[in-house]
Amino acid sequence: AQSVTQLGSHVSVSEGALVLLRCNYSSSVPPYLFWYVQYPNQGLQLLLKYTSAATLVKGINGFEAEFKKSETSFHLTKPSAHMSDAAEYFCAVSGSNYQLIWGAGTKLIIKP
Amino acid sequence: ETGVTQTPRHLVMGMTNKKSLKCEQHLGHNAMYWYKQSAKKPLELMFVYNFKEQTENNSVPSRFSPECPNSSHLFLHLHTLQPEDSALYLCASSQGSPITDTQYFGPGTRLTVL
Repeated sequence: AQSVTQLGSHVSVSEGALVLLRCNYSSSVPPYLFWYVQYPNQGLQLLLKYTSAATLVKGINGFEAEFKKSETSFHLTKPSAHMSDAAEYFCAVSGSNYQLIWGAGTKLIIKP
Repeated sequence: ETGVTQTPRHLVMGMTNKKSLKCEQHLGHNAMYWYKQSAKKPLELMFVYNFKEQTENNSVPSRFSPECPNSSHLFLHLHTLQPEDSALYLCASSQGSPITDTQYFGPGTRLTVL
């Protein structure tokens, strides 16, 4: 069965430190991969997506993610965290049933 | 109004009430979705509409009844809900394919069932 695993329901980093949010997936078909962000009291918005072009994908707000087929991973990174990055982040993969399969989310906490 | 709007933003209802959630998208998209978001769980896709036709119903209980009168509007009719139905209900839209196209989400309706 297809699935998405986000390691860590909460990740805490200091302002200015590297952000690393992990996403591993299983898929029986070549995947499309997405990262969405949800700020408090808002809906989700797209950060970036992988659609089988370049394996390193750049998104909004300085985030990027690298598709690693051999590791079935699509981890999200940002070199320097900002207070405004505090939010919940969701990884999703295209499923064979023509639906997105979603991870449970990782809440990013930024310490001043 | 721009993007995807949802009303009401908050709703408290008893188990015997009937209420409706409304979603409107101003993006000219052809597909619309209802999701249920519960804490610490993946988003649960409930219903998918493409060009006003329902294409997916992910084993959702009949106490949830969707309606899509046109490609811009989506409703979720609620009746005789259970306390475990309390959650954030998100509406989303996309141009076409749900697995390749970006989905645009509304802010959600926070539903509490007493």
